[in-house]
Amino acid sequence: KQEVTQIPAALSVPEGENLVLNCSFTDSAIYNLQWFRQDPGKGLTSLLLIQSSQREQTSGRLNASLDKSSGRSTLYIAASQPGDSATYLCAVLSGSRLTFGEGTQLTVNP
Amino acid sequence: EAQVTQNPRYLITVTGKKLTVTCSQNMNHEYMSWYRQDPGLGLRQIYYSMNVEVTDKGDVPEGYKVSRKEKRNFPLILESPSPNQTSLYFCASSFYREHYGYTFGSGTRLTVV
Repeated sequence: KQEVTQIPAALSVPEGENLVLNCSFTDSAIYNLQWFRQDPGKGLTSLLLIQSSQREQTSGRLNASLDKSSGRSTLYIAASQPGDSATYLCAVLSGSRLTFGEGTQLTVNP
Repeated sequence: EAQVTQNPRYLITVTGKKLTVTCSQNMNHEYMSWYRQDPGLGLRQIYYSMNVEVTDKGDVPEGYKVSRKEKRNFPLILESPSPNQTSLYFCASSFYREHYGYTFGSGTRLTVV
């Protein structure tokens, strides 16, 4: 059974700092990995989708990498802003299942 | 606009009173799924459907039913809700091909008293 772990569970940084969120998964037989953002009590917004054959994807200040063989992904946020404060969720698609980590709660302080 | 629409957004009900949460997508996705999100437990899959008339259990199906009579709709049915089904529920959809990501609805916050 696929298991997804995200570290750290919570992170607080000053505005402007670059930061890295980590995601690891136990079964490397995945189709893709997706990073989501969730604001309190709200839905999930897709940030980046990385196919199993890809190494990274970029969107604006966000860069996600994937090392399928080691079961790891990182989400890099450059020049963080208070508006980036949210919970970031990592999810892997394997078989017909999308399995989520428990998320990293990010707070960016002005 | 391409989207997954859930209704209602908020619902308070009493134990045992049957309810249905609707989910509809306008992207012609084959795959649809329901999740519940609870503090400390993350997002867990309840049921999923790979196409019309094809449904299967996820990780936590007890106490729930689903149907997929049309491609665009995937309602979640609670025949006899109990307080332990108080949760935030999400519907998601995708093309049933591994190169596509998932689109999520805005969520339904259900409280069973």
